[in-house]
Amino acid sequence: EAGVAQSPRYKIIEKRQSVAFWCNPISGHATLYWYQQILGQGPKLLIQFQNNGVVDDSQLPKDRFSAERLKGVDSTLKIQPAKLEDSAVYLCASVGRTYEQYFGPGTRLTVT
Amino acid sequence: GQNIDQPTEMTATEGAIVQINCTYQTSGFNGLFWYQQHAGEAPTFLSYNVLDGLEEKGRFSSFLSRSKGYSYLLLKELQMKDSASYLCAAMDSNYQLIWGAGTKLIIKP
Repeated sequence: EAGVAQSPRYKIIEKRQSVAFWCNPISGHATLYWYQQILGQGPKLLIQFQNNGVVDDSQLPKDRFSAERLKGVDSTLKIQPAKLEDSAVYLCASVGRTYEQYFGPGTRLTVT
Repeated sequence: GQNIDQPTEMTATEGAIVQINCTYQTSGFNGLFWYQQHAGEAPTFLSYNVLDGLEEKGRFSSFLSRSKGYSYLLLKELQMKDSASYLCAAMDSNYQLIWGAGTKLIIKP
């Protein structure tokens, strides 16, 4: 079974620019999470999707972050405009019938 | 509030045993996860406990006490490849994971 795919793996942008990340979960997994992980910290939930609906986006900075999962499969996370403090690894995870979350390799974002 | 506490860093010797502790406070509880994360990589699942007691899986075991809000991960016969961060995460009443900051485990020869 193919794992969770994410792209790009690395991205360097200047502050105030925009960036988008893509995630393709494991086939058949209805639940998808986007996390932000700053070095030395645990993952912080940004948004949770169930199929194409948002379950929880309470920690998503909606003035600059947006996410969608239009067809209930792959998902994009966008930051516009980026700030220095957005430098982090952005992880996508999907969940199947059990509660175990399967993570993609992540996108390492550097904002200069 | 919801909180997970685990040590920041631990050091152990190759071939030895190490126990990484985790205490949690969550709104509701639906189980405790341990994940391993090597530097620059994504977390990978190690264990899930929802009932009290010890679950053994090869060199790794995980223990849960729901009444004490406490779990530990036990790693036996340590190998150099076990050098990584170990993340404790509790599942709350909404089935979301509340993550600890991770314990960086350093293995010395």
